[in-house]
Amino acid sequence: NAGVTQTPKFQVLKTGQSMTLQCAQDMNHEYMSWYRQDPGMGLRLIHYSVGAGITDQGEVPNGYNVSRSTTEDFPLRLLSAAPSQTSVYFCASSYSGQWREQYFGPGTRLTVT
Amino acid sequence: GENVEQHPSTLSVQEGDSAVIKCTYSDSASNYFPWYKQELGKRPQLIIDIRSNVGEKKDQRIAVTLNKTAKHFSLHITETQPEDSAVYFCAAPRGDDKIIFGKGTRLHILP
Repeated sequence: NAGVTQTPKFQVLKTGQSMTLQCAQDMNHEYMSWYRQDPGMGLRLIHYSVGAGITDQGEVPNGYNVSRSTTEDFPLRLLSAAPSQTSVYFCASSYSGQWREQYFGPGTRLTVT
Repeated sequence: GENVEQHPSTLSVQEGDSAVIKCTYSDSASNYFPWYKQELGKRPQLIIDIRSNVGEKKDQRIAVTLNKTAKHFSLHITETQPEDSAVYFCAAPRGDDKIIFGKGTRLHILP
């Protein structure tokens, strides 16, 4: 198993550009989520999904969209990038929701100039 | 609002000494409390977790204790070693399908 994969590893955007961060898992996990990690702020939940076709907002959803058309994939879209979205983004998945171990991807480091 | 508070934000201990990190949570329905370790430049990984039907769980040099009445849980690392240097995160689920992380503790093991 590849586990949780994320692409790209690094990305630089200009303010106003849009892009999609990709996340995929091959463990047949129902629950997937996106976090951003900023110094001193820990891991903050952006959006999450309890299964294909179902998504919901986390703690900091503004400026981001998600969709979950398959069990395997959970892309995160930045609609119009802002410098405040400079961060490291982690995707995570788990077998049966928030009551089980979260498996994290390797992260995407995003810089918005 | 804040659901999980973690203290301290930074902790330095001499190699061989013990380290303790504490977290408090607000949702009384929470019954699963994991701890994650993140080494520099790496992804967070689960190191130990506890469910609310037990008060303590140990795995070699690490242990987690839970006080449901006071809504806090702690990570204990004994006989610390250089490889324990990392950032540690606690987390707790919220009833609305979310899992919320603390802000992290940077642990330095001093030689």
